Amino acid sequence: DQQVKQNSPSLSVQEGRISILNCDYTNSMFDYFLWYKKYPAEGPTFLISISSIKDKNEDGRFTVFLNKSAKHLSLHIVPSQPGDSAVYFCAASAFGNQFYFGTGTSLTVIP
Amino acid sequence: DAGITQSPRHKVTETGTPVTLRCHQTENHRYMYWYRQDPGHGLRLIHYSYGVKDTDKGEVSDGYSVSRSKTEDFLLTLESATSSQTSVYFCAINGGRSYNEQFFGPGTRLTVL
Repeated sequence: DQQVKQNSPSLSVQEGRISILNCDYTNSMFDYFLWYKKYPAEGPTFLISISSIKDKNEDGRFTVFLNKSAKHLSLHIVPSQPGDSAVYFCAASAFGNQFYFGTGTSLTVIP
Repeated sequence: DAGITQSPRHKVTETGTPVTLRCHQTENHRYMYWYRQDPGHGLRLIHYSYGVKDTDKGEVSDGYSVSRSKTEDFLLTLESATSSQTSVYFCAINGGRSYNEQFFGPGTRLTVL
């Protein structure tokens, strides 16, 4: 049973606009959440993370929001750039040992 | 780059043959992981290791075994490969600014005919 879900397989956004990628989880024991970016034929690369004690974390153009009551997190990319076109995975862990990944959202930023 | 290599990068094999994939790290990290990536499933954890000779199962461990005799090497073995094990396999280590951040290797594309 999928504990981390990304219900949108794909998303297209115009360059310069905001990209919002969503992720839902079911396990209330998850205490750390991460976003990864993946280009074809490469391994995923870490993008940004958030602890369950926070509700927002920013790093440059990337912001992750966590809504614990809704068991929902989102990644905002502003402004979106063509180089952001990739597959984005959210992931969650409980106590840092095992990581559970979503199925990914393919983002296309249109120039 | 986090200093993770995987070998081989590509492999084609036949059903029923044993296959071993190798992950090598130069970062001296304690935790190492093996994932498989499949369309519609994202990344799923096969096995992980929290030290030399210390390993544990992930969510899709059936048909796979692992070994870690040295800190730097984590081996994934398919004792008798099946077509359902055709996938892209990624190794990862923990590290970075937080122990929770994982660095991934470049992946191994395995095809079982």
